[in-house]
Amino acid sequence: RKEVEQDPGPFNVPEGATVAFNCTYSNSASQSFFWYRQDCRKEPKLLMSVYSSGNEDGRFTAQLNRASQYISLLIRDSKLSDSATYLCVVNIGNNDMRFGAGTRLTVKP
Amino acid sequence: GAVVSQHPSRVICKSGTSVKIECRSLDFQATTMFWYRQFPKQSLMLMATSNEGSKATYEQGVEKDKFLINHASLTLSTLTVTSAHPEDSSFYICSAIGTGIPQETQYFGPGTRLLVL
Repeated sequence: RKEVEQDPGPFNVPEGATVAFNCTYSNSASQSFFWYRQDCRKEPKLLMSVYSSGNEDGRFTAQLNRASQYISLLIRDSKLSDSATYLCVVNIGNNDMRFGAGTRLTVKP
Repeated sequence: GAVVSQHPSRVICKSGTSVKIECRSLDFQATTMFWYRQFPKQSLMLMATSNEGSKATYEQGVEKDKFLINHASLTLSTLTVTSAHPEDSSFYICSAIGTGIPQETQYFGPGTRLLVL
């Protein structure tokens, strides 16, 4: 089993749609969690840190479920500019960061 | 957010030459830097982790003698691809975590595209 697993997609959604991504992790001692987005041929950029209480930033909501060992990202009112690959990142301890393979999202007009 | 720069942004070289890539944290002290490689349409692959003043820790399958990493200061790490070959052509990205920025959050450099002819 991979340490961090994501549905690779692709997710093709119309503008305005709501889309959700899940990410599961295997190490129960994992300490912190992040979502990054990566555009084609660019570096990953931090989208959100994921806190145990869940957090929201505009159209984006991230949640953590430690019992089931998954984190989620919800995007509301999708924009064309949201098209990217979304990476789930888990710190399993001592700044040992593990990346998921990414979920590709395409938002269409 | 924190800024990480990389230089050069792209390089084309002949097979057998060595290429040095620099990664700098511009507005924070990078206690740990990570080097990744990404092939087209594939996910990031961690190559090595380096802590300032210490030897880098390489991931399994990454040749430490081929990919030389130096993290001599809190703002600079370098990756040298020695005797580069066409199969080393890839997108190399560094990231850093450190003091003065949100804890445990990685900030990435813009990447270096290496093409070995």
